[in-house]
Amino acid sequence: DVVLTQSPATLSVTPGERISLSCRASESVDTYLHWYQQKPNESPRLLIKYASQSISGIPSRFSGSGSGTDFTLSINGVELEDLSIYYCQQGNSLPFTFGSGTKLEIK
Amino acid sequence: QVQLKESGPGLMQPSETLSLTCTVSGFSLTSNGVGWVRQPLGKGLVWMGTIWAGGSTNYNSAVQSRLSISRDTSKSQVFLKMNSLQPEDTGTYYCAKQGGAAISFDYWGQGVMVTVSS
Repeated sequence: DVVLTQSPATLSVTPGERISLSCRASESVDTYLHWYQQKPNESPRLLIKYASQSISGIPSRFSGSGSGTDFTLSINGVELEDLSIYYCQQGNSLPFTFGSGTKLEIK
Repeated sequence: QVQLKESGPGLMQPSETLSLTCTVSGFSLTSNGVGWVRQPLGKGLVWMGTIWAGGSTNYNSAVQSRLSISRDTSKSQVFLKMNSLQPEDTGTYYCAKQGGAAISFDYWGQGVMVTVSS
């Protein structure tokens, strides 16, 4: 199974900051790497697909990059509403797997 | 618009069989796959299995021996059945639409909380 390691586990941020979250795969997943946001008591929401492709309705401050084994989700100008847990997920091979998440907190 | 909604019992006893239904609208089950994802309380997301547009299925080996996913396309419903429930099966169960070739989950249901306890 492909193991996705997300870091850091928790990130304390100041509104307005530009931040980067990491997702590292145990083997290449090409660009079949997707990012989700889960707010407290809500369902996950797809933020970025294919590592860097934007999703309709998602604010442009969210962007993704990477391929192979190293991926990054960036938020350019964090807002209070971005306080959530962020998960990466690979769709390159079965079983589909998720990272353990990065929790965004306000400093 | 695309919607998915899970339904099923909230409380189960150990060794019982869980039956959940995912009712979808806004897309066709014969054109899109639907997956089930479980989230233990306070923990991360785990893919359980998917039924694809053609009707074939794939399961996570961790639950494969206990899990069955099926569908009724005429009713736009996908079903999850899992037997021999244990307390560690407690969590929120989501159904989610698979996003085509990307194999992402582009739309999610609200989730249904299932507690397994005697």
